[in-house]
Amino acid sequence: SAVISQKPSRDICQRGTSLTIQCQVDSQVTMMFWYRQQPGQSLTLIATANQGSEATYESGFVIDKFPISRPNLTFSTLTVSNMSPEDSSIYLCSVLEGYGYTFGSGTRLTVV
Amino acid sequence: RKEVEQDPGPFNVPEGATVAFNCTYSNSASQSFFWYRQDCRKEPKLLMSVYSSGNEDGRFTAQLNRASQYISLLIRDSKLSDSATYLCVVDSGGGADGLTFGKGTHLIIQP
Repeated sequence: SAVISQKPSRDICQRGTSLTIQCQVDSQVTMMFWYRQQPGQSLTLIATANQGSEATYESGFVIDKFPISRPNLTFSTLTVSNMSPEDSSIYLCSVLEGYGYTFGSGTRLTVV
Repeated sequence: RKEVEQDPGPFNVPEGATVAFNCTYSNSASQSFFWYRQDCRKEPKLLMSVYSSGNEDGRFTAQLNRASQYISLLIRDSKLSDSATYLCVVDSGGGADGLTFGKGTHLIIQP
């Protein structure tokens, strides 16, 4: 299966600032996704990162708040902009392979 | 609204026991089903897919009941290392936006 390197693994940020999370895959993958897992909750899809075009966002998520880049088939970034304490969560990238989804190790974000 | 419901637990089970938990889903058009395991502060990892005929992988058995729209996971001869959160995932097709995750069932195996 693909190996995903996600960083940072954790961060504590001041409200009003932005954090960019990186996800590097060791092979070319067509579909990459960004999820959020809030405390005590399950995973929620933020957006699908499309290579060469704008990301496709799910209901409740907008590009201004969560800009995503996908410059090639092995890399993507998610930025959490103008953070507030409600953004404190785990953010995970994921790729789709033949047999299912593989997740990055996650970024644990705390906004103070 | 697509929903996947799981008993959050925690299930406290002595080592060596058999434990089973279920997951129900609301979307009858769901096509694929999975169990993921998530350890504390770790990412989810695929445990097994769930096939219509039921499938077994070592000590783990997964079953699907389409008529009643539930999926089950059975763990036999439980080990301490089985302690984790087990996520039920239902795929209605069409990419990741078709995936619905349950909130997970917390399993604690006690020595």
